[in-house]
Amino acid sequence: AQSVTQLGSHVSVSEGALVLLRCNYSSSVPPYLFWYVQYPNQGLQLLLKYTSAATLVKGINGFEAEFKKSETSFHLTKPSAHMSDAAEYFCAVTSGGSQGNLIFGKGTKLSVKP
Amino acid sequence: SQTIHQWPATLVQPVGSPLSLECTVEGTSNPNLYWYRQAAGRGLQLLFYSVGIGQISSEVPQNLSASRPQDRQFILSSKKLLLSDSGFYLCAWTLGSGMGYTFGSGTRLTVV
Repeated sequence: AQSVTQLGSHVSVSEGALVLLRCNYSSSVPPYLFWYVQYPNQGLQLLLKYTSAATLVKGINGFEAEFKKSETSFHLTKPSAHMSDAAEYFCAVTSGGSQGNLIFGKGTKLSVKP
Repeated sequence: SQTIHQWPATLVQPVGSPLSLECTVEGTSNPNLYWYRQAAGRGLQLLFYSVGIGQISSEVPQNLSASRPQDRQFILSSKKLLLSDSGFYLCAWTLGSGMGYTFGSGTRLTVV
């Protein structure tokens, strides 16, 4: 069975500071990994995905994530936070294929202080 | 290009009333379709998914049901709403989970 753990339900950073949102996964098969962002009262938007190509994945809005198999991690980072980054972020894992479903973490709410 | 439509955006319904939320996908064929619910502080809860017309899998036993009358149409229903059905409902589609999901804009349901 697959699972995702997001460490920290709330993260607060100052504008211009490094953003680090943590995600650890469990999977018995090579995983596909995703990060989604959700702004208030909106649907989830795909930030980036890892599908067994390069381990460092670049996404939209300056975010990137690194797949580390030895640590079973897929942490999301951004060098310099903007006020517009304040949102909720979800990590997700799947084994792929037409029948597999995405398993989501519980989400991390990011606050950005001026 | 593919698009997903979900409506209504907001809904206020009294306890005991029926519910019908609709989701349609355009620009693709035979997608997998999903209904999720977000309640405050509880993350994303998968309610139903469908891999084809008339094929519905339920993840959580509850007061809701789902139907897929057409390839690109997914409907979430209830005969009698409960207060606990309040939440933010999201529809999503994919052609294969390795591609990720595309989400609709959501419906905010408040049961009063």
